[in-house]
Amino acid sequence: QSALTQEASVSGTVGQKVTLSCTGDSNNIGSYAVGWYQQISHGAPKTVMFGNSLPSGIPDRFSASKSGTTASLTISGLQPEDEADYYCSTWDYSLSAQVFGGGTKLTVL
Amino acid sequence: EVQLLESGGGLVLPGGSLRLSCAASRFTFSNYAMTWVRQAPGKGLEWVSTITDSGGSTYYADSVKGRFTISRDNSKNTLYLQMNSLRAEDTAVYYCAKGTGTLRSLPFDYWGQGTLVTVSS
Repeated sequence: QSALTQEASVSGTVGQKVTLSCTGDSNNIGSYAVGWYQQISHGAPKTVMFGNSLPSGIPDRFSASKSGTTASLTISGLQPEDEADYYCSTWDYSLSAQVFGGGTKLTVL
Repeated sequence: EVQLLESGGGLVLPGGSLRLSCAASRFTFSNYAMTWVRQAPGKGLEWVSTITDSGGSTYYADSVKGRFTISRDNSKNTLYLQMNSLRAEDTAVYYCAKGTGTLRSLPFDYWGQGTLVTVSS
């Protein structure tokens, strides 16, 4: 049981806007910045957002937001190369640990 | 661009030990917290351990506490993970990840390519 809850799977068509969610509580998402990590075919993870910041080289169709204890990753204008597993993660104060969501498998139809 | 290069993985017997290294380059290593994350076959990402920029504070997942030790040598720009009393459930690809600041609570911005640890008889 992950401390952060993500959808198991999400799908969208090319060009569509999709939003992935990550739900936690006041000890984690409610208190700390969230990172979003993309993993393609079980290769090395790549950071697509940290907090509200877009890493260099990541297209600006990726954006992130947070409301209370839920964080969201939005991909505007979905591309075939966006098909991947996406993980959210943040620090948990009560656990004194970094926690990850179970991951969302994004399929581009 | 930032580079993180893990090494030291391999096949080890249950109860054995292994030391992983993560060589960092193209950033000021001593200014950032560093973390180890692992991924068992077919599973999701699992946090293992974090060390602050100076090495003064370390944090561990309950699953590895007392068996693994994270450390860093800022003069060599290298992060380490000493793994003792290894179990089959420690089998995974181990990634090092760079924090976005000095604090242990910040997200990561760069990841290494990973090194595979297999614990099996």
